[in-house]
Amino acid sequence: EDQVTQSPEALRLQEGESSSLNCSYTVSGLRGLFWYRQDPGKGPEFLFTLYSAGEEKEKERLKATLTKKESFLHITAPKPEDSATYLCAVRDTGGFKTIFGAGTRLFVKA
Amino acid sequence: EPEVTQTPSHQVTQMGQEVILRCVPISNHLYFYWYRQILGQKVEFLVSFYNNEISEKSEIFDDQFSVERPDGSNFTLKIRSTKLEDSAMYFCASIGDRSSLYANEKLFFGSGTQLSVL
Repeated sequence: EDQVTQSPEALRLQEGESSSLNCSYTVSGLRGLFWYRQDPGKGPEFLFTLYSAGEEKEKERLKATLTKKESFLHITAPKPEDSATYLCAVRDTGGFKTIFGAGTRLFVKA
Repeated sequence: EPEVTQTPSHQVTQMGQEVILRCVPISNHLYFYWYRQILGQKVEFLVSFYNNEISEKSEIFDDQFSVERPDGSNFTLKIRSTKLEDSAMYFCASIGDRSSLYANEKLFFGSGTQLSVL
């Protein structure tokens, strides 16, 4: 059964303090790994898709990387507006569903 | 940017009552989904729908749940007899054409319907 585990559950940073969020996954065959951002009371908002080990994607202060068992979301010099819950998700080969992890709640203090 | 629209934003119902949650997916999308998120918990897959039939469903999606695409624009989730544990935020999502699905394109989510069962 596909599984996604994210750590830490919550992360508190000072503005400008870089850090990384971890996502460990288990799938029979990886079709894609996704990162989403979720603000309170809102639906998840797409950030990145990663397809294969070694791949990296960047967007502003965020950079996502992928290995065969994990993905990392690196946040460089975060700002308070980066405060949100970051969700990792996977889809396996041939499936229609995307499975989500429990998320990491990020708090960035000015 | 096109968006997925969900109505109502909040729904309060009595236990045992039927509720219908409504969604208007992005107009040219072909794959439709319902997810739910209980407060403080993960986003959980309920069902996927393609070509007017269910393509995959989770264990949560039992006989009390049904989905329908009654016309060319709406996609609905019906819960026949609500239970207290059905209280959650329900999200509708969609993806474009078949090449988008297998090219791992993003899910577009609506803003959700907060269902409260009393």
